[in-house]
Amino acid sequence: GAVVSQHPSRVICKSGTSVKIECRSLDFQATTMFWYRQFPKQSLMLMATSNEGSKATYEQGVEKDKFLINHASLTLSTLTVTSAHPEDSSFYICSARGQGDIQYFGAGTRLSVL
Amino acid sequence: DAKTTQPTSMDCAEGRAANLPCNHSTISGNEYVYWYRQIHSQGPQYIIHGLKNNETNEMASLIITEDRKSSTLILPHATLRDTAVYYCIVRVGPKTSYDKVIFGPGTSLSVIP
Repeated sequence: GAVVSQHPSRVICKSGTSVKIECRSLDFQATTMFWYRQFPKQSLMLMATSNEGSKATYEQGVEKDKFLINHASLTLSTLTVTSAHPEDSSFYICSARGQGDIQYFGAGTRLSVL
Repeated sequence: DAKTTQPTSMDCAEGRAANLPCNHSTISGNEYVYWYRQIHSQGPQYIIHGLKNNETNEMASLIITEDRKSSTLILPHATLRDTAVYYCIVRVGPKTSYDKVIFGPGTSLSVIP
């Protein structure tokens, strides 16, 4: 089956620093990837749609200057949380559209900002 | 995308069939029904999807009513590893500009020994 790899699985950083999360489709190409955020005991919230070779599309209320998305190749999308603060602490999950147009998800990245 | 309604939580005895209902009364003709599940602290896992016919794969069966206003996901022999939050999602067919997967609250299924 299609595999989406997400790295790192866990990151702890100081307030004010930037954190980059990578999302890779290992055995298929993905022109479109998606980024979600999940707070404890809540459902996944779509943050943005990442399009290869073009700008990302952000959902309403998501700051594009805060969450930088780059989709430089057909197998890699990155999410950079800039100047992270404790309220950015969350579980970040990416997905990619694979064979059969099914979306496959990464294992997630748990970000803790101190 | 059409909204879905699912029970907040359900219990199922280990070894028995788990039947998870989903109501999607406002579904449009070109919208598919997808099911995902999320085991604690992991990314969601695709289970199955369908348009109007019943579907079966190695994980589960999907039963869609004739009017397509509701569906049921069936896990034929639930195990403890099936304990997870199950999400029923309807979305416009793939390869469209509206191709997003929007998650609702889902159903928290607990499989009990």
